Amino acid sequence: AQKVTQAQTEISVVEKEDVTLDCVYETRDTTYYLFWYKQPPSGELVFLIRRNSFDEQNEISGRYSWNFQKSTSSFNFTITASQVVDSAVYFCALSEAPGYALNFGKGTSLLVTP
Amino acid sequence: ETGVTQTPRHLVMGMTNKKSLKCEQHLGHNAMYWYKQSAKKPLELMFVYSLEERVENNSVPSRFSPECPNSSHLFLHLHTLQPEDSALYLCASSHYPDREYEQYFGPGTRLTVT
Repeated sequence: AQKVTQAQTEISVVEKEDVTLDCVYETRDTTYYLFWYKQPPSGELVFLIRRNSFDEQNEISGRYSWNFQKSTSSFNFTITASQVVDSAVYFCALSEAPGYALNFGKGTSLLVTP
Repeated sequence: ETGVTQTPRHLVMGMTNKKSLKCEQHLGHNAMYWYKQSAKKPLELMFVYSLEERVENNSVPSRFSPECPNSSHLFLHLHTLQPEDSALYLCASSHYPDREYEQYFGPGTRLTVT
């Protein structure tokens, strides 16, 4: 069985602070896929990133960066110099096959205040 | 219209009513999904349609009945629902097989069962 844990339920930061959202996963599969989605107040889930289990390279996209560590089964997400528009619920998800059965964590609600 | 659209955005129905949720994708995708998002619970995958065939049904009660008449449209027919079915219902789509992992979500239908 697959499981995704996002231990941080809510995080509040002041604009321009860096913030890291934690994601820990469990799976027996040797091949799997990890995802991060953003859900702004409008409700629409926005795809941010996918990472394959065989690719441990960290990734940076603008102010966003992701740290994938198989040794600790973690796939953490860092926002640098946070902005008010980053306020949203962020979901980490795991899948054993592309597109099927995304197993989501419960989400972390991030509030960035001016 | 672009992306994934869902109608209605909000729906209030009694337990004896019959209603349908509609999802339409304008992305040329050929796989579509229904998810349920309840308060304080992880997103739950309900149904998957790939190439217009239902390929996954996650033990969803029969009071939820999906229909996928073509690759662009997905419906969720509702009848004799229970108050605990109140949730945000999200539709998603992706392209099988090359970009299955990128599921694009609609804004959701906020359902309240009274």
